[in-house]
Amino acid sequence: GAGVSQSPSNKVTEKGKDVELRCDPISGHTALYWYRQSLGQGLEFLIYFQGNSAPDKSGLPSDRFSAERTGGSVSTLTIQRTQQEDSAVYLCASSLETGSPYEQYFGPGTRLTVT
Amino acid sequence: GENVEQHPSTLSVQEGDSAVIKCTYSDSASNYFPWYKQELGKGPQLIIDIRSNVGEKKDQRIAVTLNKTAKHFSLHITETQPEDSAVYFCAANDYKLSFGAGTTVTVRA
Repeated sequence: GAGVSQSPSNKVTEKGKDVELRCDPISGHTALYWYRQSLGQGLEFLIYFQGNSAPDKSGLPSDRFSAERTGGSVSTLTIQRTQQEDSAVYLCASSLETGSPYEQYFGPGTRLTVT
Repeated sequence: GENVEQHPSTLSVQEGDSAVIKCTYSDSASNYFPWYKQELGKGPQLIIDIRSNVGEKKDQRIAVTLNKTAKHFSLHITETQPEDSAVYFCAANDYKLSFGAGTTVTVRA
């Protein structure tokens, strides 16, 4: 079946602009996660959704970052007033919440470049 | 929070030989240990995982071992092939995965 999809695959933006990154999880997966992958910091957890609720937002690096999930499916990660240090690959993953709750399947990522 | 260390950072092996990657973790409450393979330009792909109530798990040419007392776990790839060349990440915790820094594996033909 279809895996996790993310759009856009690449995004170049100017410093100070806002960006929205989209994630479509695997159909039927109730849990959704955002991670960030950068050269200096490796793979970092950002936020976790169970359904439309976000019980853990502890990884969001600043209040410029926010995320929402609607209909228990699609999620959007928004970065306001982008900074150069926001340049990274943003990865989305999803998992079933029953059976094997922790098997996370990743999408291809969105490469964000802030100029 | 959980801290995962991974060694080595790079590994070059001859085709057909075995590759071993080792990870240690700090939080004794961690109960789930997946391994991911990442090829250039792609997202991480789950290749195998192990839970805290199991000491070893095999899937064809790959195997993972877990020592909860010592807080370390390892990935073993036997009979390596050129398509095994990639970056491999270990991770630990439950829903909030903490990742190692990655191992770049190169299989020489």
